[in-house]
Amino acid sequence: DAKTTQPNSMESNEEEPVHLPCNHSTISGTDYIHWYRQLPSQGPEYVIHGLTSNVNNRMASLAIAEDRKSSTLILHRATLRDAAVYYCILRGLSQGGSEKLVFGKGTKLTVNP
Amino acid sequence: DAGITQSPRHKVTETGTPVTLRCHQTENHRYMYWYRQDPGHGLRLIHYSYGVKDTDKGEVSDGYSVSRSKTEDFLLTLESATSSQTSVYFCAISVARGSYEQYFGPGTRLTVT
Repeated sequence: DAKTTQPNSMESNEEEPVHLPCNHSTISGTDYIHWYRQLPSQGPEYVIHGLTSNVNNRMASLAIAEDRKSSTLILHRATLRDAAVYYCILRGLSQGGSEKLVFGKGTKLTVNP
Repeated sequence: DAGITQSPRHKVTETGTPVTLRCHQTENHRYMYWYRQDPGHGLRLIHYSYGVKDTDKGEVSDGYSVSRSKTEDFLLTLESATSSQTSVYFCAISVARGSYEQYFGPGTRLTVT
């Protein structure tokens, strides 16, 4: 199964951009790249997703490498509320046709005031 | 916020007893999922449902069963709870698989003594 690799932790200062990397070297052609985040004692929250092209929404931007073996979640101006664990997730179909959901271990983002 | 509730929110039970967790949605989404979250493992998929009476296994399905008799309800049952099933359980819903985002419930903290 395709897996993702993320740094265990990252640190940023408030109001500065943050680039959270994710490696997925064994991604298949049908896998979408999703990012979620989880605040303490809460359920995960959807952030953004993409397939091949870079994506932007009100929360973040997603930059996907041309070979799709890696991606980067970009928070343009970090706030204290962005402190969370960020998960890079591949969503797709396994060869057997069943839903395949593979979570990375996540990156704990600390935002300093 | 997506209309997802989980019950109970906290439960302590003894080894060997059956336990049922309930996930209820008001969004009429077709897909529903059960995950467990443990320190060092991130989120892992237990089972998912792609329609009423249609379910499939995830990566950690042993010891768990599910049922979905109505679109809005997805039940997770531990037939005979073990201490290894002590965890936080999250339910999620999605319009469809593949590219669609998932919305997560608040979680159920289960302790098996």
